[in-house]
Formats: sequence, structure tokens, C-alpha cells
Amino acid sequence: QSVLTQPPSVSGAPGQRVSISCTGSSSNIGAFYDVHWYQQLPGRAPRLLICGNTDRPSGVPDRFSGSKSGTSASLVITGLQAEDEADYYCQSYDSSLTDLVFGTGTTVTVL
Amino acid sequence: QVQLQESGPGLVKPSQTLSLTCTVSGDSISRGSYSWTWIRQPAGKGLEWIGRMYVTGSTHYKPSLNSRVGISVDTSKNQFTLNLSSVTAADTAIYYCARGRSGYGIVYYDSWGQGTLVTVSS
Repeated sequence: QSVLTQPPSVSGAPGQRVSISCTGSSSNIGAFYDVHWYQQLPGRAPRLLICGNTDRPSGVPDRFSGSKSGTSASLVITGLQAEDEADYYCQSYDSSLTDLVFGTGTTVTVL
Repeated sequence: QVQLQESGPGLVKPSQTLSLTCTVSGDSISRGSYSWTWIRQPAGKGLEWIGRMYVTGSTHYKPSLNSRVGISVDTSKNQFTLNLSSVTAADTAIYYCARGRSGYGIVYYDSWGQGTLVTVSS
């Protein structure tokens, strides 16, 4: 069980806004460690979506945005599209575990 | 653009050693301050970081796997290798190799291999 908790699933209609939370603690996100986000399309390898809490790598659509506050981080998809159906994972570091950690993962379904 | 490709046996017997190789193309594995990493994903489950190394030889492994895992690099072949000993069914997973970059507080992974399924079974 990961120390970074995400909702198992979120859904929305095309064009809607969905938000995915990544909840940690004082030994990871709350300890000022950055959060990165990955998208994993069905049957594919993960792809970097957001790095350093808020930055989008080249080629990532601007409908994806990230934020961080306290012991949590969030990924927001604004203007949901069918091709956004995927699993999403947050990633950070935990000083108590001395381990790089991934979140539990969230499946996004486009209705 | 850098590309990574995993290779190795798809079936390993219990108690044996799992060995996988990641071949890097499009860039030299020795260039820059990248970390070369293995991550796995059991079927239907989340991602689990296994460990990383730098071409300087510095390594860092997941604490719970530390006694069984080793990562090495062959710069002449532009490859890095994962060895995981004394495997059990719990080690059955898709194994990904990835390139790690710094620049923020912690490493992030900007390039991934397609993944290779390893099944541990007799």
C-alpha cells in the first residue's frame, strides 16, 4: 500500500473538468518534496505529464495542470477528451521510507 | 530522441535470478547526469520503483528489495541491467526501464521503455 493515496477512479463527460488528488503526509509531500505526474494509457508505458508540481514537458497539452499545497497535490484535466482515458499516477519521495514512491493510481473514465 | 528497450526471459523459475537488460538508443548512456532506473508493475496494480544507478557507479535500491537487487551498466554497449535474485511469484510483473532526470527536488522519469512481462513460475 502506497503512502500516497489517490482516488481509485474519477469520471467526467467530454469537455468537463476533473481533478485527481494525491494525498501524502509530512514525510513526503508535506516535507516539500516535489510531485510529478504520469499518464498510463491502456497497455502502454507511463508517460511524464507534469514535473515539479506544475510544469508541463514539451508536447503535453495545456489542458493538464498540476498544483501542490500542504501534504497534497492535484492534477486537473480541463476540457476532458476521450483520449484522456487512462490511469494517472503521482510520484514523490518519502523521507521516512527513504524510498521513491508512486501514488495508488487513478483511472479516469470519459463518459 | 532517446529510446529505451527492455529484453530478457519472460519466464523465470522460483528461487532463480531474474535478469533484464535495457538498451538505450538515441543518446549516450554516459552523457549527462541521468539516472538509469527499473520500475515494475504487477498486473492490474500500481507502479513500484525498484532502483537506479548513475554511470559513476552510485546506486540506490528500494529498501525492501535491497538484499536481492543489483543494477549495473555497460557503457560500451549503452545498456544497463537488472538482476533480482531469489524470485517468487510476487515478483511477477511488467518491468520497465526508465531514464531519470534531476532539476527538481526529486528525480522524474521522462523516457520509458515499452515494458516486458516477467512471470515467475515453475
